[in-house]
Amino acid sequence: DIQMTQSPSSLSASVGDRVTITCRASQGISNTLAWYQQRPGKAPKLLLYAASRLQSGVPSRFSGTGSGTNYTLTISSLQPEDFATYYCQHYYNTPRTFGQGTKVEVK
Amino acid sequence: EVQLVESGGGLVQPGGSLRLSCAASGFTFTTYAISWVRQAPGKGLEWVSAISGSGDHTRYADSVKGRITVSRDNSKNTVFLQMNSLRADDTAVYYCAKEDCPSTSCSLFDNWGQGTLVTVSS
Repeated sequence: DIQMTQSPSSLSASVGDRVTITCRASQGISNTLAWYQQRPGKAPKLLLYAASRLQSGVPSRFSGTGSGTNYTLTISSLQPEDFATYYCQHYYNTPRTFGQGTKVEVK
Repeated sequence: EVQLVESGGGLVQPGGSLRLSCAASGFTFTTYAISWVRQAPGKGLEWVSAISGSGDHTRYADSVKGRITVSRDNSKNTVFLQMNSLRADDTAVYYCAKEDCPSTSCSLFDNWGQGTLVTVSS
C-alpha cells in the first residue's frame, strides 16, 4: 500500500495567515491526489483533486501544487471557517489511502 | 442535492455483528459506486469497502476482508455494510461516501454522509 505522510501534524495560525500543508507519498502517484477538509464533528469535504483542481463550490483561497511524491495544499488567507483538519488521499491504485491529517488551530 | 444518511451504529460486544445502512438521494443511484470509510476516535480516515453502481463488484480493505460484506438494494437507493466478528479496533465512525464513477476503481469521495458510530466493547 502507498503510505501518505503529512506535515506538520498540527499548526497554529491566525485569520488572514497564509497556511501551507505538505503531503508526501511513499512512491510517485502522478498527481492522483485529493485534499479533504474535516471540521470538528463533521464529515470530510472534498476540496481539491488531481493535485490542483478545485472542487465545485470551494473558495479560490484554496490551492494545490505538486508532482511525483510531494504535494502541498495552500490556504492563501485563512478564514474563521478554515480551522479544521485537512487530509490528503491518493487514488493512484487500490487501496486508496489517506494521510494522517493536519489540524489547523487558532493561534 | 446529494444526501447520504447512515444508520445502524451502536454498541456491540466483541465477536458480535452489526448491519449499517446508507440511504442515498439526489443523484442517479445506479450510476455511482459507494464506499464506506471509517474513522477511529481521534484518528484519521481509513477506506473500508466499495461497491459498484450495479452491485456486481465489491472491494475490501485487508483489515476487514472476510468479516465485512457490502451490498446494495438499488430499488431502495440503499447500501448496507454487514459487519461480523467485530473487534475493539473496529470502533469508529463509519461514513458512506459517494464515489465519482460507477466501478470499484474510482478516484474521489465527492459526497459524504454524517457518519454512524460503532462501538465494540464488553
